[in-house]
Amino acid sequence: LAKTTQPVSMDSYEGQEVNITCSHNNIATNDYITWYQQFPSQGPRFIIQGYKTKVTNEVASLFIPADRKSSTLSLPRVSLSDTAVYYCLVGLNQAGTALIFGKGTTLSVSS
Amino acid sequence: GAVVSQHPSRVICKSGTSVKIECRSLDFQATTMFWYRQFPKQSLMLMATSNEGSKATYEQGVEKDKFLINHASLTLSTLTVTSAHPEDSSFYICSVQGIGNTIYFGEGSWLTVV
Repeated sequence: LAKTTQPVSMDSYEGQEVNITCSHNNIATNDYITWYQQFPSQGPRFIIQGYKTKVTNEVASLFIPADRKSSTLSLPRVSLSDTAVYYCLVGLNQAGTALIFGKGTTLSVSS
Repeated sequence: GAVVSQHPSRVICKSGTSVKIECRSLDFQATTMFWYRQFPKQSLMLMATSNEGSKATYEQGVEKDKFLINHASLTLSTLTVTSAHPEDSSFYICSVQGIGNTIYFGEGSWLTVV
């Protein structure tokens, strides 16, 4: 399984764009990149998933360079409610395959 | 996606007793469910993969006789912590693999063993 490396923590202010970068140097050809958000005492919430280039949904964008050895989760105009732990996961998007979590990035948004 | 519900959300039990946590997939038939454990300030740790109609697959270091997993239907998996001890106190989270193989998590269940 590809190991991921993320910053331990990040600080931001309301209204700013936040970019969290994840390194996954040994990502396999068939691996997908998935990001989750977790609030205290809650299960992780799916944010976005991608394989290559750029993926955008209503809450975030995911940028993946051509070599796929890293990825960046972009949160536009964060608010206080975006304070959470963000996990980058790399693995097969395949039935029966579990997600293995790394340490995650704690994002703190201040007013 | 998939809506996943866990029950109870919080439970306190006495040391030496057993406690059952239920995980239900409300809108998706889940052949596979996953159970995780999370200690405070730490990441999620995969405990086992629960397969409908067959035995669960446990991760290395997880005692299968202590953490009994039953996946009797496509919408329900249960985790029973047997002979619970204070060190089993943790946040237990289940997940379901939904449409497109995306994994969705339940709200989690806090277990406190006193």
